[in-house]
Amino acid sequence: AQSVTQLDSQVPVFEEAPVELRCNYSSSVSVYLFWYVQYPNQGLQLLLKYLSGSTLVKGINGFEAEFNKSQTSFHLRKPSVHISDTAEYFCAVSQYGGSQGNLIFGKGTKLSVKP
Amino acid sequence: DAGVIQSPRHEVTEMGQEVTLRCKPISGHDYLFWYRQTMMRGLELLIYFNNNVPIDDSGMPEDRFSAKMPNASFSTLKIQPSEPRDSAVYFCASNRGIDGELFFGEGSRLTVL
Repeated sequence: AQSVTQLDSQVPVFEEAPVELRCNYSSSVSVYLFWYVQYPNQGLQLLLKYLSGSTLVKGINGFEAEFNKSQTSFHLRKPSVHISDTAEYFCAVSQYGGSQGNLIFGKGTKLSVKP
Repeated sequence: DAGVIQSPRHEVTEMGQEVTLRCKPISGHDYLFWYRQTMMRGLELLIYFNNNVPIDDSGMPEDRFSAKMPNASFSTLKIQPSEPRDSAVYFCASNRGIDGELFFGEGSRLTVL
């Protein structure tokens, strides 16, 4: 079975500062990894995903994440955040090659960008 | 291509009333999921379907909750009778089951008074 841990429930940061949102997962098999973003009063939308290949994955809005198999991590980063990045971010994992199609989500990290 | 469509977007009802939430998945997606999101519990998977068949309903809180998928383009989540603790945002999502990427609807915000 897989599980996902997002180490920080809230991350406050000033505008134009860099940010890292941490995500660790546990699984006995290979996995696919995802980051979703949820803006206030909206549904979740995909930010980026790692399926295979390069461990550095670039997503929308200037975000990127790095897959580290040895540390079972998939941390999300942005070099300079904007007020509009204020949202909740969810890390998720699915089983590689699995037929279930379902994602296991972390509990989310609320990013608050202050001017 | 249209995304996942949910209705209603907002529902306010009184305790004891029946609530029906609706979802139209993306055409061609074989999997459909119902999630519930609350401040206290975060995002919880309630049930999911594959080819209209319920695969795992272990997340359904109790017998007051039921979900159906009569065809590939429509699903309902019903709560009868509703209780104040059912107040939450209910999301429907779908995918093709290939890599797990989920496509979410905008959600249905339920308030039970």
